[in-house]
Amino acid sequence: DVKVTQSSRYLVKRTGEKVFLECVQDMDHENMFWYRQDPGLGLRLIYFSYDVKMKEKGDIPEGYSVSREKKERFSLILESASTNQTSMYLCASSSGGASIYTFGSGTRLTVV
Amino acid sequence: GQNIDQPTEMTATEGAIVQINCTYQTSGFNGLFWYQQHAGEAPTFLSYNVLDGLEEKGRFSSFLSRSKGYSYLLLKELQMKDSASYLCAVRTDSWGKLQFGAGTQVVVTP
Repeated sequence: DVKVTQSSRYLVKRTGEKVFLECVQDMDHENMFWYRQDPGLGLRLIYFSYDVKMKEKGDIPEGYSVSREKKERFSLILESASTNQTSMYLCASSSGGASIYTFGSGTRLTVV
Repeated sequence: GQNIDQPTEMTATEGAIVQINCTYQTSGFNGLFWYQQHAGEAPTFLSYNVLDGLEEKGRFSSFLSRSKGYSYLLLKELQMKDSASYLCAVRTDSWGKLQFGAGTQVVVTP
């Protein structure tokens, strides 16, 4: 069964902490994406990557960075966590130009 | 800018039909997607339209009119398990980036 795995289901961090959210896919997909999902706002794209070492800003990149050192792993980094980054974070991957995303189960991050 | 609009919530009875509309204005268009998301779970793919017309997949159908910037998802013979959020998404480039609407919560009542 193909999978996108996010390292944590629930996470609580303090304001100012550096936070790492990990995402690993086992489908050899080229494309990987990080979204956050908030009530009434839907999924908003933070960063995406179409290849190893490649990264592009999405619609709301401020306060975030990413790393893609290996094809299967795409990490989202909150440089200095703030309360407005409390959200559900969803990682997705897809193959080539097809956009049938496979999503991970999500990480619900609370920043206190 | 990007604008993808869909109703916030719809309620329908088990066995009935519900149509979820989605209108979009985006800087690029390369296909329209529908995803289903049950509470507390990840979204899962339902359907995809790149050309105008109707795509049918069992109880679910999706329609696209590119000239009108309009799509709908039709759910027939509603079942209780269809209670979920339905997300409309537009592929805005040729590589696969999706822009999502806020989602429509469908509540199926007995």
